[in-house]
Amino acid sequence: QKEVEQNSGPLSVPEGAIASLNCTYSDRVSQSFFWYRQYSGKSPELIMSIYSNGDKEDGRFTAQLNKASQYVSLLIRDSQPSDSATYLCAVSLPSNTDKLIFGTGTRLQVFP
Amino acid sequence: DVKVTQSSRYLVKRTGEKVFLECVQDMDHENMFWYRQDPGLGLRLIYFSYDVKMKEKGDIPEGYSVSREKKERFSLILESASTNQTSMYLCASSLPGDSGYGYTFGSGTRLTVV
Repeated sequence: QKEVEQNSGPLSVPEGAIASLNCTYSDRVSQSFFWYRQYSGKSPELIMSIYSNGDKEDGRFTAQLNKASQYVSLLIRDSQPSDSATYLCAVSLPSNTDKLIFGTGTRLQVFP
Repeated sequence: DVKVTQSSRYLVKRTGEKVFLECVQDMDHENMFWYRQDPGLGLRLIYFSYDVKMKEKGDIPEGYSVSREKKERFSLILESASTNQTSMYLCASSLPGDSGYGYTFGSGTRLTVV
């Protein structure tokens, strides 16, 4: 089992809809969770971080963490074509907190 | 503003050449990383440094070496470039431990070995 798993997509949603991106992780005691957005040909940029169970909102983005079920999700409300990108989930390992483990990413397409 | 700078955006090298990829960060971060990213394979860690002159192998170190003589600079060296090293190379830096701030990435170097 991969340490961090994401559906590769593409996930296609119409403009204005809610996009829901999911990520599961294998290490039950992971501490920190991150979502990165990566446009084609560009480097990843951090958009959300979450450490506690529940929801964390930042503008149109909401990160949700459920440690008991070992999943973290990212909701994008009012999706825009400019949100079309690959979204990477990253998780810290308690055995080596200096390193993040990345999923392979989910490609999101928002069509007008 | 930023933060992590990679010296070249695009690079074309010949098979067998020694290639240097440079990364400089101005955030006083202890940790620096080199990844390569290939379609379908995601980010793969090549090397990691947690302090000056300290390094640790990642998942795919074969064919690569690194140098960190100063805190702000982390260099990736391809000893003898091969076509299977054609890839996007990403440098990142971070604070030590589980700081909660994640990584800051450079803009990437797309290397083509011909």
